[in-house]
Amino acid sequence: GAVVSQHPSWVICKSGTSVKIECRSLDFQATTMFWYRQFPKQSLMLMATSNEGSKATYEQGVEKDKFLINHASLTLSTLTVTSAHPEDSSFYICSARVRETQYFGPGTRLLVL
Amino acid sequence: GENVEQHPSTLSVQEGDSAVIKCTYSDSASNYFPWYKQELGKRPQLIIDIRSNVGEKKDQRIAVTLNKTAKHFSLHITETQPEDSAVYFCAALKGGSYIPTFGRGTSLIVHP
Repeated sequence: GAVVSQHPSWVICKSGTSVKIECRSLDFQATTMFWYRQFPKQSLMLMATSNEGSKATYEQGVEKDKFLINHASLTLSTLTVTSAHPEDSSFYICSARVRETQYFGPGTRLLVL
Repeated sequence: GENVEQHPSTLSVQEGDSAVIKCTYSDSASNYFPWYKQELGKRPQLIIDIRSNVGEKKDQRIAVTLNKTAKHFSLHITETQPEDSAVYFCAALKGGSYIPTFGRGTSLIVHP
Protein backbone atom coordinates (compact mmCIF):
# COMPACT_ATOMS: atom_id res chain seq x y z
CA GLY A 1 0.00 0.00 0.00
CA ALA A 2 0.91 3.66 -0.19
CA VAL A 3 3.34 4.77 2.50
CA VAL A 4 3.82 8.29 3.72
CA SER A 5 6.66 9.28 6.01
CA GLN A 6 6.99 12.39 8.09
CA HIS A 7 10.02 13.88 9.76
CA PRO A 8 10.69 14.70 12.48
CA SER A 9 8.30 12.69 14.61
CA TRP A 10 8.61 15.18 17.43
CA VAL A 11 10.33 18.47 17.98
CA ILE A 12 10.78 20.86 20.88
CA CYS A 13 11.78 24.39 20.08
CA LYS A 14 12.06 27.79 21.68
CA SER A 15 9.49 30.48 21.05
CA GLY A 16 10.42 32.61 18.06
CA THR A 17 12.27 29.92 16.14
CA SER A 18 11.13 28.25 12.93
CA VAL A 19 10.49 24.56 12.50
CA LYS A 20 10.38 22.61 9.24
CA ILE A 21 8.40 19.40 8.89
CA GLU A 22 8.87 17.11 5.90
CA CYS A 23 6.28 14.85 4.35
CA ARG A 24 7.30 12.23 1.81
CA SER A 25 5.40 9.73 -0.28
CA LEU A 26 7.73 6.73 -0.35
CA ASP A 27 6.39 4.46 -3.06
CA PHE A 28 4.19 6.69 -5.15
CA GLN A 29 4.02 10.18 -6.57
CA ALA A 30 1.64 12.64 -5.04
CA THR A 31 0.65 15.76 -6.92
CA THR A 32 -1.45 16.78 -3.95
CA MET A 33 -0.62 16.55 -0.28
CA PHE A 34 -2.54 17.85 2.66
CA TRP A 35 -1.50 19.31 5.98
CA TYR A 36 -3.65 18.85 9.06
CA ARG A 37 -3.46 19.99 12.61
CA GLN A 38 -4.92 17.91 15.41
CA PHE A 39 -5.54 19.01 18.97
CA PRO A 40 -5.94 16.44 21.75
CA LYS A 41 -9.17 14.48 21.48
CA GLN A 42 -10.27 16.46 18.46
CA SER A 43 -10.72 15.84 14.80
CA LEU A 44 -8.35 16.56 11.95
CA MET A 45 -8.37 20.20 10.96
CA LEU A 46 -7.28 20.79 7.38
CA MET A 47 -4.76 23.62 7.22
CA ALA A 48 -3.83 23.64 3.56
CA THR A 49 -3.67 21.70 0.33
CA SER A 50 -0.19 21.46 -1.09
CA ASN A 51 0.06 21.27 -4.88
CA GLU A 52 3.25 20.22 -6.61
CA GLY A 53 4.76 23.09 -8.56
CA SER A 54 2.23 25.67 -7.47
CA LYS A 55 1.14 27.64 -4.46
CA ALA A 56 -0.62 25.95 -1.60
CA THR A 57 -4.29 26.54 -0.99
CA TYR A 58 -4.90 27.58 2.61
CA GLU A 59 -8.08 27.05 4.58
CA GLN A 60 -9.86 30.01 6.05
CA GLY A 61 -8.20 31.27 9.20
CA VAL A 62 -4.81 29.69 8.50
CA GLU A 63 -2.04 32.27 8.15
CA LYS A 64 -0.07 31.50 5.02
CA ASP A 65 2.86 33.64 6.12
CA LYS A 66 3.13 31.71 9.35
CA PHE A 67 2.67 28.23 7.94
CA LEU A 68 4.83 28.12 4.82
CA ILE A 69 4.21 25.19 2.52
CA ASN A 70 6.48 24.10 -0.28
CA HIS A 71 5.78 21.17 -2.61
CA ALA A 72 8.94 21.09 -4.65
CA SER A 73 8.64 17.56 -6.01
CA LEU A 74 6.08 14.83 -6.53
CA THR A 75 7.23 13.06 -3.38
CA LEU A 76 8.01 15.85 -0.95
CA SER A 77 6.04 18.60 0.74
CA THR A 78 7.33 20.70 3.62
CA LEU A 79 5.56 22.74 6.24
CA THR A 80 7.54 25.45 8.02
CA VAL A 81 6.10 26.95 11.15
CA THR A 82 7.72 30.37 11.27
CA SER A 83 8.32 32.28 14.49
CA ALA A 84 6.68 29.54 16.49
CA HIS A 85 4.80 30.37 19.66
CA PRO A 86 3.44 28.12 22.41
CA GLU A 87 -0.04 28.23 20.87
CA ASP A 88 1.42 26.55 17.77
CA SER A 89 2.12 23.46 19.86
CA SER A 90 0.11 20.67 18.32
CA PHE A 91 0.17 17.42 16.37
CA TYR A 92 0.74 18.08 12.68
CA ILE A 93 -0.15 15.35 10.20
CA CYS A 94 0.34 15.30 6.47
CA SER A 95 -1.39 13.07 3.96
CA ALA A 96 -1.09 12.21 0.31
CA ARG A 97 -3.95 11.05 -1.79
CA VAL A 98 -4.28 8.14 -4.19
CA ARG A 99 -7.54 8.83 -5.99
CA GLU A 100 -9.99 9.54 -3.18
CA THR A 101 -8.08 7.75 -0.45
CA GLN A 102 -5.81 9.67 1.87
CA TYR A 103 -2.71 8.03 3.28
CA PHE A 104 -1.47 9.76 6.39
CA GLY A 105 2.00 10.32 7.69
CA PRO A 106 2.79 9.32 11.27
CA GLY A 107 2.52 12.91 12.46
CA THR A 108 4.87 15.40 14.08
CA ARG A 109 4.35 16.48 17.63
CA LEU A 110 5.51 20.07 18.06
CA LEU A 111 6.11 21.61 21.46
CA VAL A 112 7.03 25.27 21.58
CA LEU A 113 8.46 26.44 24.87
CA GLY B 1 -20.06 23.21 1.98
CA GLU B 2 -20.28 19.70 3.30
CA ASN B 3 -21.02 19.13 6.98
CA VAL B 4 -20.46 15.75 8.63
CA GLU B 5 -21.92 14.96 12.03
CA GLN B 6 -20.65 11.92 13.93
CA HIS B 7 -22.17 10.21 16.98
CA PRO B 8 -21.48 9.19 19.62
CA SER B 9 -18.35 11.05 20.65
CA THR B 10 -17.48 8.27 23.09
CA LEU B 11 -18.54 4.64 23.02
CA SER B 12 -17.70 2.13 25.71
CA VAL B 13 -18.43 -1.58 25.16
CA GLN B 14 -17.51 -4.92 26.64
CA GLU B 15 -15.27 -7.25 24.69
CA GLY B 16 -17.36 -9.34 22.35
CA ASP B 17 -20.17 -6.80 22.04
CA SER B 18 -20.97 -4.94 18.84
CA ALA B 19 -20.26 -1.25 18.30
CA VAL B 20 -22.05 1.10 15.93
CA ILE B 21 -20.91 4.60 14.98
CA LYS B 22 -23.18 6.82 12.93
CA CYS B 23 -22.47 9.75 10.62
CA THR B 24 -24.73 12.07 8.69
CA TYR B 25 -23.74 14.32 5.82
CA SER B 26 -25.39 17.33 4.27
CA ASP B 27 -24.26 17.43 0.64
CA SER B 28 -26.20 15.02 -1.55
CA ALA B 29 -23.37 15.24 -4.11
CA SER B 30 -21.04 13.35 -1.75
CA ASN B 31 -20.37 9.92 -3.15
CA TYR B 32 -17.41 8.44 -1.28
CA PHE B 33 -17.35 7.66 2.43
CA PRO B 34 -14.17 6.38 4.09
CA TRP B 35 -13.68 5.41 7.71
CA TYR B 36 -10.36 5.91 9.46
CA LYS B 37 -9.05 4.39 12.69
CA GLN B 38 -6.54 6.33 14.75
CA GLU B 39 -4.83 4.66 17.67
CA LEU B 40 -3.41 6.87 20.37
CA GLY B 41 -0.46 8.89 19.09
CA LYS B 42 -0.52 7.24 15.69
CA ARG B 43 -1.62 8.09 12.19
CA PRO B 44 -5.20 7.63 10.96
CA GLN B 45 -5.52 4.55 8.79
CA LEU B 46 -8.23 3.69 6.33
CA ILE B 47 -10.18 0.66 7.51
CA ILE B 48 -13.12 0.53 5.14
CA ASP B 49 -14.87 2.74 2.61
CA ILE B 50 -18.09 2.75 0.62
CA ARG B 51 -19.25 4.45 -2.52
CA SER B 52 -22.69 5.81 -3.16
CA ASN B 53 -23.63 3.08 -5.61
CA VAL B 54 -23.40 0.47 -2.85
CA GLY B 55 -25.61 0.09 0.21
CA GLU B 56 -23.40 -2.10 2.34
CA LYS B 57 -19.83 -3.35 2.44
CA LYS B 58 -18.29 -5.85 4.79
CA ASP B 59 -14.73 -6.82 5.66
CA GLN B 60 -14.46 -9.50 8.33
CA ARG B 61 -15.69 -7.95 11.59
CA ILE B 62 -16.32 -4.49 10.23
CA ALA B 63 -19.09 -3.33 7.93
CA VAL B 64 -20.35 -0.03 6.65
CA THR B 65 -23.88 0.77 5.56
CA LEU B 66 -25.04 3.75 3.55
CA ASN B 67 -28.50 5.27 3.24
CA LYS B 68 -28.31 7.86 0.46
CA THR B 69 -31.88 9.00 0.89
CA ALA B 70 -31.41 9.81 4.54
CA LYS B 71 -27.81 10.89 3.97
CA HIS B 72 -26.32 8.78 6.70
CA PHE B 73 -23.78 6.01 6.95
CA SER B 74 -22.69 3.80 9.80
CA LEU B 75 -19.72 1.72 10.88
CA HIS B 76 -20.48 -1.61 12.51
CA ILE B 77 -17.87 -3.58 14.42
CA THR B 78 -18.87 -7.04 15.64
CA GLU B 79 -17.18 -9.18 18.28
CA THR B 80 -15.16 -6.23 19.50
CA GLN B 81 -11.70 -6.80 20.89
CA PRO B 82 -9.50 -4.57 23.10
CA GLU B 83 -7.30 -3.78 20.11
CA ASP B 84 -10.32 -2.15 18.45
CA SER B 85 -10.00 0.62 21.04
CA ALA B 86 -9.17 3.79 19.09
CA VAL B 87 -10.70 6.94 17.68
CA TYR B 88 -12.73 6.39 14.55
CA PHE B 89 -13.35 9.14 12.01
CA CYS B 90 -15.90 9.10 9.24
CA ALA B 91 -15.51 11.32 6.19
CA ALA B 92 -17.40 12.34 3.09
CA LEU B 93 -16.15 13.42 -0.31
CA LYS B 94 -17.96 14.44 -3.44
CA GLY B 95 -17.03 13.58 -6.97
CA GLY B 96 -14.27 15.79 -8.36
CA SER B 97 -13.11 16.85 -4.92
CA TYR B 98 -10.27 15.12 -3.13
CA ILE B 99 -10.69 16.98 0.12
CA PRO B 100 -12.62 14.97 2.70
CA THR B 101 -14.83 16.48 5.33
CA PHE B 102 -14.19 14.61 8.56
CA GLY B 103 -16.53 13.92 11.41
CA ARG B 104 -15.42 14.89 14.90
CA GLY B 105 -14.43 11.36 15.78
CA THR B 106 -15.67 8.63 18.12
CA SER B 107 -13.50 7.32 20.90
CA LEU B 108 -14.22 3.59 21.15
CA ILE B 109 -13.18 1.84 24.33
CA VAL B 110 -13.43 -1.93 24.48
CA HIS B 111 -13.19 -3.30 27.99
CA PRO B 112 -11.66 -6.77 28.40
